[in-house]
Amino acid sequence: DSGVTQTPKHLITATGQRVTLRCSPRSGDLSVYWYQQSLDQGLQFLIQYYNGEERAKGNILERFSAQQFPDLHSELNLSSLELGDSALYFCASSLRTSTMADTQYFGPGTRLTVL
Amino acid sequence: QKEVEQDPGPLSVPEGAIVSLNCTYSNSAFQYFMWYRQYSRKGPELLMYTYSSGNKEDGRFTAQVDKSSKYISLFIRDSQPSDSATYLCAMTGAQKLVFGQGTRLTINP
Repeated sequence: DSGVTQTPKHLITATGQRVTLRCSPRSGDLSVYWYQQSLDQGLQFLIQYYNGEERAKGNILERFSAQQFPDLHSELNLSSLELGDSALYFCASSLRTSTMADTQYFGPGTRLTVL
Repeated sequence: QKEVEQDPGPLSVPEGAIVSLNCTYSNSAFQYFMWYRQYSRKGPELLMYTYSSGNKEDGRFTAQVDKSSKYISLFIRDSQPSDSATYLCAMTGAQKLVFGQGTRLTINP
């Protein structure tokens, strides 16, 4: 158990809908990262927050947004969902930030299915 | 062309064999190199982390980085069935973090 929690575990929704994925980092970790993992694209870095501020952006679509709250938990919002958004979404946390080379601890993931 | 290339496998070897997993990359800005292990239905976990060219050893695992060739490797000695997992290389630099596709490894008893 990494200490990172993600809810929900599974999510099934329809195209065009909007969903919110939630992540609680390990106690004491200030950085949160979001990833998308699909069979054809592998693990893709989406976005990083550090202590409430956006720190780095990866391959995140404009339909997706994220935020980190004062209690350090984070939410990833996915809107206007398409079939291709079906994937595993992971959250990871780390103590510090700098080069993104900090040891990241991954949560168990949220499996999103868009029908 | 992808910035990080990793053969997805699958790779199947007998227990006790030495396993070699590799990644190549094209971006010279990458400075930190990592290997993650991911068991089925779980999140990735960090195995090894290296900064410079050369070798780094941790128990049965050795990570090797050759920056001149833009090539990194992970060696697993005395492989065990519990090593069966997907192994992902990852690298970061200049505010980019990129993962390889992952290699699916099975160790047969």
